Amino acid sequence: DAGVIQSPRHEVTEMGQEVTLRCKPISGHNSLFWYRQTMMRGLELLIYFNNNVPIDDSGMPEDRFSAKMPNASFSTLKIQPSEPRDSAVYFCASSSDRGLSGEGYTFGSGTRLTVV
Amino acid sequence: RKEVEQDPGPFNVPEGATVAFNCTYSNSASQSFFWYRQDCRKEPKLLMSVYSSGNEDGRFTAQLNRASQYISLLIRDSKLSDSATYLCVAPRGPNDYKLSFGAGTTVTVRA
Repeated sequence: DAGVIQSPRHEVTEMGQEVTLRCKPISGHNSLFWYRQTMMRGLELLIYFNNNVPIDDSGMPEDRFSAKMPNASFSTLKIQPSEPRDSAVYFCASSSDRGLSGEGYTFGSGTRLTVV
Repeated sequence: RKEVEQDPGPFNVPEGATVAFNCTYSNSASQSFFWYRQDCRKEPKLLMSVYSSGNEDGRFTAQLNRASQYISLLIRDSKLSDSATYLCVAPRGPNDYKLSFGAGTTVTVRA
């Protein structure tokens, strides 16, 4: 299996621009998570999907952030408009059984976002 | 109080040494726990799952102390490749998909 695939690996954009991050989970996994990691705040859960349905988006910072999962093999995280404080590494992770079984989560390699 | 707290380190140890560090969690209802390893500028990867009193996998041993609400990770015969940040992870509840990640403990193994 290719694992969780994220794109792009790096994104540099100007403040105010729209940014779209993409994720392909592992085939057969029914749970998908978007996390953000910064030095100051560590790993923060942004949103959780189960069977393509958003279950909990309480971690989404504000209305500028939105996420979709149109099918079992694809999810996007969009920031519009972007701000410098959004600069972080964004990880997508997938799992079966919500990650509570012994296999935990499998993370993608992340998108390093820099907003200037 | 943070849900998961770890000693940030760094722990600098020579090759072959044993290193151990703890993680405390706040939610007494948590049932399963995890240790993840994260290399610099890489994604976290699952190292071990921790159930009941603990788990052992080769040179790595994780122990769970429910009474004191802490989890420990011990690495024996340290290798240079063990240098990484180790993240302690706990669910926020017994069936809670929201995993709380600790800030990580940095381990550096020197030749």
